[in-house]
Amino acid sequence: SQTIHQWPATLVQPVGSPLSLECTVEGTSNPNLYWYRQAAGRGLQLLFYSVGIGQISSEVPQNLSASRPQDRQFILSSKKLLLSDSGFYLCAWSVVVTQYFGPGTRLTVL
Amino acid sequence: KNEVEQSPQNLTAQEGEFITINCSYSVGISALHWLQQHPGGGIVSLFMLSSGKKKHGRLIATINIQEKHSSLHITASHPRDSAVYICAVGPNRDDKIIFGKGTRLHILP
Repeated sequence: SQTIHQWPATLVQPVGSPLSLECTVEGTSNPNLYWYRQAAGRGLQLLFYSVGIGQISSEVPQNLSASRPQDRQFILSSKKLLLSDSGFYLCAWSVVVTQYFGPGTRLTVL
Repeated sequence: KNEVEQSPQNLTAQEGEFITINCSYSVGISALHWLQQHPGGGIVSLFMLSSGKKKHGRLIATINIQEKHSSLHITASHPRDSAVYICAVGPNRDDKIIFGKGTRLHILP
């Protein structure tokens, strides 16, 4: 069966520090991978999606970047965090249509 | 029993019809989200509600906190409204967002 992992579960970082959130999927090959964010008081927002290794599409311009170094690994990064980067980050995977979400990471930038 | 239940699972309607999709939840919530997913696409947020009613174009979302129920309405439906509509609640105290299974809507021209 397929499993999706995200870590860390929670993270508190100072403004200006770097960020690396990791997402891995088990039990499937060549999935589509997604990063979403829910900022406080706002709905879910699609940040990046990837249809294959090294293929990243960005939905909104922002302070973040994503990489897919391996088929089932998706990384969300930032060189310098902003206060507005605080939020709940979700990774998801899909093969056909249905998306399956990871447990999420709560990021607080102070 | 799932914590977030949507109905119907599938809905086919003629262009122009008024559409209602329902969502019931059994957990305490900070917010309820209505999301839309087109085939092969990512999920986009339509509404986030914590009370009352919101309207955006032909879409209306309502929530009744006491009854733990929300509805998404589409007026004057159009084939481009064909998509999967997902209800989600949270994050909750465990920092989880709980998703419904979605309603697949197909609007016929």
